[in-house]
Amino acid sequence: EPEVTQTPSHQVTQMGQEVILRCVPISNHLYFYWYRQILGQKVEFLVSFYNNEISEKSEIFDDQFSVERPDGSNFTLKIRSTKLEDSAMYFCASSELTLSGNTIYFGEGSWLTVV
Amino acid sequence: LAKTTQPISMDSYEGQEVNITCSHNNIATNDYITWYQQFPSQGPRFIIQGYKTKVTNEVASLFIPADRKSSTLSLPRVSLSDTAVYYCLVGDIRNQGGKLIFGQGTELSVKP
Repeated sequence: EPEVTQTPSHQVTQMGQEVILRCVPISNHLYFYWYRQILGQKVEFLVSFYNNEISEKSEIFDDQFSVERPDGSNFTLKIRSTKLEDSAMYFCASSELTLSGNTIYFGEGSWLTVV
Repeated sequence: LAKTTQPISMDSYEGQEVNITCSHNNIATNDYITWYQQFPSQGPRFIIQGYKTKVTNEVASLFIPADRKSSTLSLPRVSLSDTAVYYCLVGDIRNQGGKLIFGQGTELSVKP
């Protein structure tokens, strides 16, 4: 079964450092997303991306966050200057969004710990 | 976006059928109903999706009444490995920019 893969599975970084989380979406999907989940809290939408541009973003996704599709397979989330409150599990997801395909598939997550 | 209400927790025993009901009174015409499963420290895993009536796959069944104001996820013969949080989501991601709104979900505990 095709799946979304994410790297790294776990990263520890110092406050103020830049972090890049990487994702390989399902190969025939054209829509890509990042969500996050702070420990013990709900899964929250960050951003959606289609045709090399952001389609939708939440208020969490401020100027310190950016997304990029640097090549034909990878999709990345960059956090420029990490804060303690950025510690969370970050989930990449993708979807087809055809007339019959209305489902988002998630990766296993990258656990980010900011110290 | 339609608001959903589901029980915070449920307990069951191995081998039993589990039914988790979700209320979504303000569901819109184009909205789909989707259920995800999440284990600790893992990503939400798609279980099943439906628009109306009944949908069945190898994992679960989804029952949707004619008014679509609620839905019931049915897990046949649960095992210990079905212990997880189950989320009911309602919406049409094609018109929402892929934005899913997760609630607290239902924490299902399966006991031996």
